Amino acid sequence: KAGVTQTPRYLIKTRGQQVTLSCSPISGHRSVSWYQQTPGQGLQFLFEYFSETQRNKGNFPGRFSGRQFSNSRSEMNVSTLELGDSALYLCASSPHGNQPQHFGDGTRLSIL
Amino acid sequence: DQQVKQNSPSLSVQEGRISILNCDYTNSMFDYFLWYKKYPAEGPTFLISISSIKDKNEDGRFTVFLNKSAKHLSLHIVPSQPGDSAVYFCAASNTGNQFYFGTGTSLTVIP
Repeated sequence: KAGVTQTPRYLIKTRGQQVTLSCSPISGHRSVSWYQQTPGQGLQFLFEYFSETQRNKGNFPGRFSGRQFSNSRSEMNVSTLELGDSALYLCASSPHGNQPQHFGDGTRLSIL
Repeated sequence: DQQVKQNSPSLSVQEGRISILNCDYTNSMFDYFLWYKKYPAEGPTFLISISSIKDKNEDGRFTVFLNKSAKHLSLHIVPSQPGDSAVYFCAASNTGNQFYFGTGTSLTVIP
């Protein structure tokens, strides 16, 4: 069974640009969550989607947005990039929620 | 506001001995707790979980203890092995759809 796939693995952008990250969950998983990991901050919850609907949103500015498609694949978009957005972005999936999540290996985003 | 805290950034243990990783939380509504292990350049991997109706859960060498009155959980690894060297995150949830993670504890098991 294929795991959670995140693309791209690495990305370099400059301030003011926008970026789109992609996540393909495990087949059959309908819940997809996104996290930001920075040194000393652990994993900060961004949002969670289930059946194309955002069920929960973390405390991030509106520059961070996401969506989920009918095949459960999800994308995360960050607009007007700032230096502080440099981080590892992790995607996790589970069948429904309230279950252990399976994580992808992340996208490392660097802002210059 | 960090609702889940891991106050020890790092821990070193001799191979064969017990590793104890600690986690504190502030939200009394949390009812589901998990531990994840993370190797460099990989995503976190689920290790073990516990619901608030229990105070202990075991899986092989891994045991998680929950003390609800103290809002504290711990992960015991016995015996510790060099392959256990990784960063360990605890996480908590009160709705099942949003998990709050700690900042992680880096465990080094010395052969």
